[in-house]
Amino acid sequence: RKEVEQDPGPFNVPEGATVAFNCTYSNSASQSFFWYRQDCRKEPKLLMSVYSSGNEDGRFTAQLNRASQYISLLIRDSKLSDSATYLCVVNIRGGYNKLIFGAGTRLAVHP
Amino acid sequence: SAVISQKPSRDICQRGTSLTIQCQVDSQVTMMFWYRQQPGQSLTLIATANQGSEATYESGFVIDKFPISRPNLTFSTLTVSNMSPEDSSIYLCSVGVKGAPFYEQYFGPGTRLTVT
Repeated sequence: RKEVEQDPGPFNVPEGATVAFNCTYSNSASQSFFWYRQDCRKEPKLLMSVYSSGNEDGRFTAQLNRASQYISLLIRDSKLSDSATYLCVVNIRGGYNKLIFGAGTRLAVHP
Repeated sequence: SAVISQKPSRDICQRGTSLTIQCQVDSQVTMMFWYRQQPGQSLTLIATANQGSEATYESGFVIDKFPISRPNLTFSTLTVSNMSPEDSSIYLCSVGVKGAPFYEQYFGPGTRLTVT
């Protein structure tokens, strides 16, 4: 079983749609959680950290369910510029090392 | 965050040769990391580059194949030694920065390596 699992997609949605990505992780000792965005042929960029209580940043909302070992990302009012691969990332050791990356979920937003 | 640069941005190398990749950060950072992203795959941590001591390698990666230097708090190099086509990949450095509530990692632009 992979340590971090994501639906690879692609998710094809029209502009303005709401889309949700899910991610599960296997290590119950995982301590911090992130969503990164990676554009084609570019480096991953940190989108947001995921707080235990859930958090929102503009059109993006992240949720964490420790009991189910599940993380989600909700994107509202999708824009063409949201088209990218979204990586679910888990830190299993605490501190700031040993990030485990999911394989990513591809999102394509069309006009 | 931090501004991170890598050199070279890309290279095409012959098997059996070695390539050294440089990573420069615009501020002093405690921890730097090297990752590999193989075609169509996600990122895998190669090692943590420790300033003043030997790098800490992840399972499956060894110092003889991927020697790392970290002479100061703003610079690191990764060498890919005795290359084979299987080493064709994107190599990325990252730095850890104190965020709220977690330490966060930021990535350089990557080095795209093709081994022929």
